[in-house]
Amino acid sequence: GAVVSQHPSWVICKSGTSVKIECRSLDFQATTMFWYRQFPKQSLMLMATSNEGSKATYEQGVEKDKFLINHASLTLSTLTVTSAHPEDSSFYICSAPRGSTGGYTFGSGTRLTVV
Amino acid sequence: QKEVEQDPGPLSVPEGAIVSLNCTYSNSAFQYFMWYRQYSRKGPELLMYTYSSGNKEDGRFTAQVDKSSKYISLFIRDSQPSDSATYLCAMSARGGNQFYFGTGTSLTVIP
Repeated sequence: GAVVSQHPSWVICKSGTSVKIECRSLDFQATTMFWYRQFPKQSLMLMATSNEGSKATYEQGVEKDKFLINHASLTLSTLTVTSAHPEDSSFYICSAPRGSTGGYTFGSGTRLTVV
Repeated sequence: QKEVEQDPGPLSVPEGAIVSLNCTYSNSAFQYFMWYRQYSRKGPELLMYTYSSGNKEDGRFTAQVDKSSKYISLFIRDSQPSDSATYLCAMSARGGNQFYFGTGTSLTVIP
């Protein structure tokens, strides 16, 4: 139980375009979704926290106009990387609290390459 | 000082060995402790979840928490090549929004 489905698993886009990443909770309701970025051989860095029905909370140094987060329903949160640049190339992962079972479940990640 | 410190390795062991992975932390408010396994190009997978101090065992995996020393460990018994992955520790103060990851330890189990 407590599965988060993340799509796409990998994407290549041209510089200047926008990319949307979706995370869906399949068998539970995710009122909160965390979005992380992970560079090679580094740990996960929290970018923002989205809450269903309210504005996302961004970590210091993360541009909210560049990384648009929408949490439109209890089962869907999206991250849109706008006007992507090569330095945005990274592994993006979402995560949601597992509720009564404890801990957090992660999506499978999206590898973004901006060329 | 980082909130969570974890030796990145890499760690290489023969199949069947007992593996010990460790993290130290500085925030005495941390109460929830997690270990994740991450295969290359995949999202982290929760292995163990513990609250406060003590031990928790699940199959070949044992998690230990020593809050007095601010030290947590993950032991893997009878390690298998399929255990080869990066292991991340994570912890939070209230199991709520903010939790902190170690940098991960890369483990290779050699057949």
